[in-house]
Order: sequence, then structure tokens, then C-alpha cells
Amino acid sequence: QVQLVQSGAEVKKPGASVKVSCRASGYTFTTSYTHWVRQAPGQGLEWMGLINPGGGSTTYAQKFQGRVIMTRDTSTNTVYMELSSLRSEDTAVYYCSRTPFFDDYRLLYWGQGTLVTVSS
Amino acid sequence: DIVMTQSPDSLAVSLGERATINCKSSQTILYNSNSKNYLSWYQHKPGQPPKLLIYWASSRESGVPDRFSGSGSGTDFTLTISSLQAEDVAVYYCQQYYTTPWTFGQGTKVEIK
Repeated sequence: QVQLVQSGAEVKKPGASVKVSCRASGYTFTTSYTHWVRQAPGQGLEWMGLINPGGGSTTYAQKFQGRVIMTRDTSTNTVYMELSSLRSEDTAVYYCSRTPFFDDYRLLYWGQGTLVTVSS
Repeated sequence: DIVMTQSPDSLAVSLGERATINCKSSQTILYNSNSKNYLSWYQHKPGQPPKLLIYWASSRESGVPDRFSGSGSGTDFTLTISSLQAEDVAVYYCQQYYTTPWTFGQGTKVEIK
């Protein structure tokens, strides 16, 4: 079955960077997009961007342009989301999610979430 | 960016009664070439990842109880829970995938009255 397993919780200081991983299993890694969605405490869901694990192309929400980098390692079926210049407002649970196929828009599969806490 | 606005922000419904959540997009999310509305609904419970309920505005995802239904077109959409069950307590989000950035509504919290 499809599984997305994310890395563990992180605590970072303001100005630092964090890199969250999302390891996929149970499907062909390169056949659909992986998205990143976050939820800050008491807030709603926020789409950050996506990566095509096959070719590595990315699309980022403008809000995160210049601060986020999504990459992948096809040898380990892992996608990474790195967020830099962290501020307190980046404290959130970060989720990876994938659609079943490239031309399918359903965020059907989700990682368990990774809590990133930004605090001095 | 397309802004998704849900109403109400929260609602309390008695067990077995109907719950209705509205979602309005700031521009049409109906793609004329295929007549599809690019809208999904998700259910989100604390400590869990979101769960897809509805896609293409009205198609129920496999395994989702048939008490959940979606309707609407263009800019106005509705999620209906026909007979609220205790396990339906959650926050519900609409989300458009018509264009990037994909955007979510602010969420509607559903509780038991």
C-alpha cells in the first residue's frame, strides 16, 4: 500500500533552516506529484508547492518563493522540503501529500506530518 | 491567487441532523473545456493528516460514507453531511486546484450540539 513517512519533529531558532523528508513506498515514485501543505497552530491548511519527482521540476506558492526548495532523491524514493530564514510564523505541522497520477488532482495520500517549532 | 471563503466558521449540529458548509471562490473554478469544477473537500481531525472526501465538486472518494455529498458550480459550492455522526466532528476545508497556488478555505469546525 502507498505510504509516505516523514522525518521527525524539529526545533529551530529564528533565521535557521529546516529540511523535512518524505519517503515514499508502495508505488512508483516518479508517477505523480508530491505536494507540501502546512498548518500553523490554530490556522488552516496552506499549500506550499509541489515537485515532480521524475524530472525534479517544482512550482512554489509565491509566498514561499526564495525561501523554499523542494528536491528529490530517486534512489531512496524521498522528497525533501527545505525552508530557510525561519521565523516564528513558520511554526507549523508540515505534510507531504501525493496525487495518484500526474493528471489527477486528488491529494489522496498523506504523510503523518512533521512539527517544526521555531523558537529562540 | 484564488481566494476560497467558507461559511460558517463553525457550526454545531445535533446527531442525525444535517450539516451544511458553504464555500465561495473569488473567481470561477469551472473549466469550460471539460465542464469540471476544480474543487475538493477535505476532513481534518486533530493529530491526523487531512482526508479527501469529495473531488470535482461532487464526486465522492472511494470509501467515504454516502452521507457526505458535494454540490455547486462556478464559484459557489456546498458540502452536506446528511445525518451527522459523532465521528464527523472535524474541521472541513474546501480547496481549489484550478490554478496554482492551490488554495484552501479557512476551514469550518463541525461540532455536536
